Amino acid sequence: AAGVIQSPRHLIKEKRETATLKCYPIPRHDTVYWYQQGPGQDPQFLISFYEKMQSDKGSIPDRFSAQQFSDYHSELNMSSLELGDSALYFCASRITGRDYEQYFGPGTRLTVT
Amino acid sequence: GENVEQHPSTLSVQEGDSAVIKCTYSDSASNYFPWYKQELGKRPQLIIDIRSNVGEKKDQRIAVTLNKTAKHFSLHITETQPEDSAVYFCALRVIGGKLIFGQGTELSVKP
Repeated sequence: AAGVIQSPRHLIKEKRETATLKCYPIPRHDTVYWYQQGPGQDPQFLISFYEKMQSDKGSIPDRFSAQQFSDYHSELNMSSLELGDSALYFCASRITGRDYEQYFGPGTRLTVT
Repeated sequence: GENVEQHPSTLSVQEGDSAVIKCTYSDSASNYFPWYKQELGKRPQLIIDIRSNVGEKKDQRIAVTLNKTAKHFSLHITETQPEDSAVYFCALRVIGGKLIFGQGTELSVKP
């Protein structure tokens, strides 16, 4: 069965650089969630999209932006990177109205040096 | 606000023993309570979930209980095995659909 795809899987950036993380949800899934997990921490909700519109926003820095495109893939854009942005970034998808379960992608490990 | 407290933060058991992890929450509107197992550097893996209209659910060695009145839910793992060693997170679904996670429990099963 198709799973959530995230790219890249690993990313190394320097401070003040920008990064773009991509998420391809399971086909026919209309909702995408982004979570950030720092070392030794629990996943923290960043932002979500339903049918290409932002549906909810969590503790996402102003330096970050995201969008969902017409093919339902989503991108998380991160600018002016800081050392504290080093984390695992997970994307999850689901079909709104059918099931509560969120299907997580393998994650992108971002390291900021 | 939305908050989940998870205890204990670490748990060490002997192989074959049971393990219990507990979570309490504050959002009375929550209606979905999943538990995840996460190995180092990997994605959270759903191991069991429960909805608010059910008090208990079991899947082989894993069970979850929910007390909506007291706002707490627990994960029970019986006959633990070394491969159960991982970090376990409770979570709950809040309005809007996002998940709020507990702080995690590092379970170590000693052979």
